[in-house]
Amino acid sequence: EVQLVQSGAEVKKPGESLRISCKSSGYKFTSYWISWVRQMPGKGLEWMARIDPSDSYTTYSPSFQGHVTISVDKSINTAYLQWSSLRASDSAIFYCAVEYSTLSFEYWGQGTPVTVSS
Amino acid sequence: DIQMTQSPSSLSASVGDRVTITCRASQGISKYLAWYQQKPGNVPQLLIYAVSTLQSGVPSRFSGSGSGTDFTLTISSLQPEDVATYYCQKYNSAPLTFGGGTKVEIK
Repeated sequence: EVQLVQSGAEVKKPGESLRISCKSSGYKFTSYWISWVRQMPGKGLEWMARIDPSDSYTTYSPSFQGHVTISVDKSINTAYLQWSSLRASDSAIFYCAVEYSTLSFEYWGQGTPVTVSS
Repeated sequence: DIQMTQSPSSLSASVGDRVTITCRASQGISKYLAWYQQKPGNVPQLLIYAVSTLQSGVPSRFSGSGSGTDFTLTISSLQPEDVATYYCQKYNSAPLTFGGGTKVEIK
């Protein structure tokens, strides 16, 4: 059974750094791209970036390029989304999703709520 | 980059009604169009991929159609459990843009 389990809710201050995780199981981790999706409070889904776990090749949405970094650790089947300096506007729920056999987002993590407030 | 425009942004319909949501791409995206359902407080779920292929377990009252730039999600007979926000997404190449969403409510 394919599962994506994300790290728990975070509360941070502006300017702080953060890394959230997405641990995959039930499939060959290096075979399928993983994406990150943002959902701000009461708003729609926004695709942020994707990574090929086999070689860590990344593609970013222009809206997020330079503000976030995605990475993987193949040894533990885990993908990461990180910020070096959070802003209040980064408060949102962040989902990971795997582009599985259908090439669309067939499986999703449960979401990680991030609150950035002074 | 290709933009995905959904309409309407919200709708209210009666149980049993036929509901249609449209999604327009600013350029052709071939068959790489998916629809997702997000119920309030829940994780999005894949409904349809490749324009018209129903994901396993999705009720047959859901269907997708279209080609090129214009696509449609249809619920043939709206049920109370279909209250949700529906998103289209292009996934042929990055950026994997979502539409703005359509909120479906029961009248």
